[in-house]
Amino acid sequence: ETGVTQTPRHLVMGMTNKKSLKCEQHLGHNAMYWYKQSAKKPLELMFVYNFKEQTENNSVPSRFSPECPNSSHLFLHLHTLQPEDSALYLCASSQDWGSEAFFGQGTRLTVV
Amino acid sequence: AQKITQTQPGMFVQEKEAVTLDCTYDTSDPSYGLFWYKQPSSGEMIFLIYQGSYDQQNATEGRYSLNFQKARKSANLVISASQLGDSAMYFCAMRDPNQAGTALIFGKGTTLSVSS
Repeated sequence: ETGVTQTPRHLVMGMTNKKSLKCEQHLGHNAMYWYKQSAKKPLELMFVYNFKEQTENNSVPSRFSPECPNSSHLFLHLHTLQPEDSALYLCASSQDWGSEAFFGQGTRLTVV
Repeated sequence: AQKITQTQPGMFVQEKEAVTLDCTYDTSDPSYGLFWYKQPSSGEMIFLIYQGSYDQQNATEGRYSLNFQKARKSANLVISASQLGDSAMYFCAMRDPNQAGTALIFGKGTTLSVSS
C-alpha cells in the first residue's frame, strides 16, 4: 500500500469541463510535487510545494492550477484542457533534500 | 538542456542474467543525489536505489547495485539475476538543488524485457 494516494485513477473529460485531481500523503513529508508523463517523453515536473508554499512552476499553462491547502494534500485543478494534455499525472512527496520521493499510482487523464 | 540521459530505449535479457542500464547526468553542483525508479505497467513509480554525490561506496540494495563513476558523471543500474517480474520501465533521476529544489528530474527511461 503506497503512502501516497491519488484520486481518481482514471478520468475522461471534455475540453470545456472543470475537474480536479487529488493527492494525499500520510508520510509526514513536507514537499509535494505534480509530474506529467506523456507517451514517449520523460516525466515532466509541473509544480513543487515545500511547506505548503509553491516553489516551482515549470512554465505550466494556466489551465492547470495547483492548490496545496496543507502539507498532506495537493490538488490539481483542470479547466479548458486540450487533447494534448492527455497523460498520466503523478503526484509525489518527499521529506527533504537527499531523500527519495514516494509516488502515487497516478491519474490517467484523457481529454476528448 | 537535458540533465539526465538514458541512451537505451529498450533492453532484453534472459532470466538469471545480469543487466546494466545506463544513465549519465549533467550538473555543476558538487552536491546532488541520484535515484533509480521502476515503473511497471500499472503506472506506479517504485523507488529502487539512491546514491549521494559524496558517498564513497557504490549503493547496493538486494539485487540492485549502482555503478557510480563520478568523474564520468555516470550512474548505471546493475540488476543481478534478472527475474520475469523485473520487466518494466526504469528511470534514472537526479536531485540538483540548483535546478528544481527538492524535486527530482527524470531521464526518458529504459524499457527492460526479461524472458524465460
